[in-house]
Amino acid sequence: QSALTQPASVSESPGQSIAISCTGTSSDVGGNKYVSWYQQHPGKAPKLMIYDVSNRPSGVPDRFSGSKSGNTASLTISGLQAEDEADYYCSSYISGSTLFGGGTKLTVL
Amino acid sequence: QITLKESGPTLVKPTQTLTLTCTFSGFSLTTSGVGVGWIRQPPGKALEWLGIIYWDDDKRYSPSLKSRLTITKDTSKNQVVLTLTNMDPVDTATYYCAHWTTVLYFDSWGQGTLVTVSS
Repeated sequence: QSALTQPASVSESPGQSIAISCTGTSSDVGGNKYVSWYQQHPGKAPKLMIYDVSNRPSGVPDRFSGSKSGNTASLTISGLQAEDEADYYCSSYISGSTLFGGGTKLTVL
Repeated sequence: QITLKESGPTLVKPTQTLTLTCTFSGFSLTTSGVGVGWIRQPPGKALEWLGIIYWDDDKRYSPSLKSRLTITKDTSKNQVVLTLTNMDPVDTATYYCAHWTTVLYFDSWGQGTLVTVSS
C-alpha cells in the first residue's frame, strides 16, 4: 500500500480559490466513498474537514468542499483566508486500514 | 464530547520497546463499528497510519510495521495500548491516537506525544 499522492505545496492569494488533489488507485480512492481530508496547523493535531468525499462536519465553514473523479479526490477552499494556511492531508479507507496522502502545505500569500 | 490523550515515555533508546497508552472518554470501545487508531508523524513529515483496534477486538496493522506492532484495549479503563518493539531513530515521531467512527473516518484526535529514539 503506497501513500496517496498530493502536491507538496500550493499557494494562492486571500479571497481566491484553490484545489488540492489526492490521487490513489481503483483499490482505494477510486474504489469507495470513504475519502476524508484533515487540516493541520503547526504543532497541532489534525482536524477533520471533509468525510465521505464531500461531507462537512458540523462547524467546518462551507468554504471547504470536496469532490472525486475516478482515482483522484480534491479539496477546494474558496474565499481563502489567512487562517486556512496549514498542511492538508487526504486519507482513504481500504479494507479495515487507512491510507494517508503525503500532505500539501497551503500558503496564503 | 470525545477526548483522547496519549501518554508514555518521551525518550527511548534504540532496540527498546515503546509502550504508549491512549486514554479516552466520550465514547465506548464496545459500540459496534467504533475503533481507536494510531497515527504517527516524524518531525516535518507526513502522517503515517500505524494501526487500529476495533470494538470487536479486530486489529489491523500497517504492513511495514506488522512484525513490530501490537495494539490492545482495556475497555474497563477506556484505554488502548500501542507497543512497538525494536525502536530505531527513524521511529522518532509524534504519536497520535484517534477515534474511528462507525462511518469510517477519524473524527477526534489526541494532542499527540513526541517520542524521540536516541541513545
